[in-house]
Amino acid sequence: DTGVSQNPRHKITKRGQNVTFRCDPISEHNRLYWYRQTLGQGPEFLTYFQNEAQLEKSRLLSDRFSAERPKGSFSTLEIQRTEQGDSAMYLCASSPSLGELFFGEGSRLTVL
Amino acid sequence: AQSVTQPDIHITVSEGASLELRCNYSYGATPYLFWYVQSPGQGLQLLLKYFSGDTLVQGIKGFEAEFKRSQSSFNLRKPSVHWSDAAEYFCAMDMSGNKLVFGAGTILRVKS
Repeated sequence: DTGVSQNPRHKITKRGQNVTFRCDPISEHNRLYWYRQTLGQGPEFLTYFQNEAQLEKSRLLSDRFSAERPKGSFSTLEIQRTEQGDSAMYLCASSPSLGELFFGEGSRLTVL
Repeated sequence: AQSVTQPDIHITVSEGASLELRCNYSYGATPYLFWYVQSPGQGLQLLLKYFSGDTLVQGIKGFEAEFKRSQSSFNLRKPSVHWSDAAEYFCAMDMSGNKLVFGAGTILRVKS
């Protein structure tokens, strides 16, 4: 039973660089979510896909952030022109049904 | 504003003692409610969920939670805590069927 896989697990980058994270969900799950978690806070919703359609985006997701899920399988989250405030853990989750989210271990971003 | 509040940032209990973690939500109707646990270096794991019906729900690892509409609460309990229960616990609600709103989390420490 393979769970949700996220890569890379840790990314260190300089301010202004672009970064991309990948999420491979559980194969039979049609819903895929991205969340962001900072120290001392719970996960904050960023965006949600049902199959390949991006159905909802948080206002937290500025124009520098873009997410895709081509063919309804894996997903990528790209952050352009990173800022120090983007430093966080980026969590991916997939779901077969309402509310039952299965989370990956996260991708930690450090922006210097 | 719709939100989830976990009043306790840290809780310390002795191994074998009982545990109660508090969760209050703010929403005009009854949301779907969840408890997740996050151990260091691991993804969030669903402990239990409440959609409707019986207000006392059982979860994995011996946890249970009780929904109280009059108090807008969904507290997590365990009769006897084990050292392996040390982790961070998140309460979450789903209002729209599309995303979870998380509380800030409660860190549980277990004394031997």
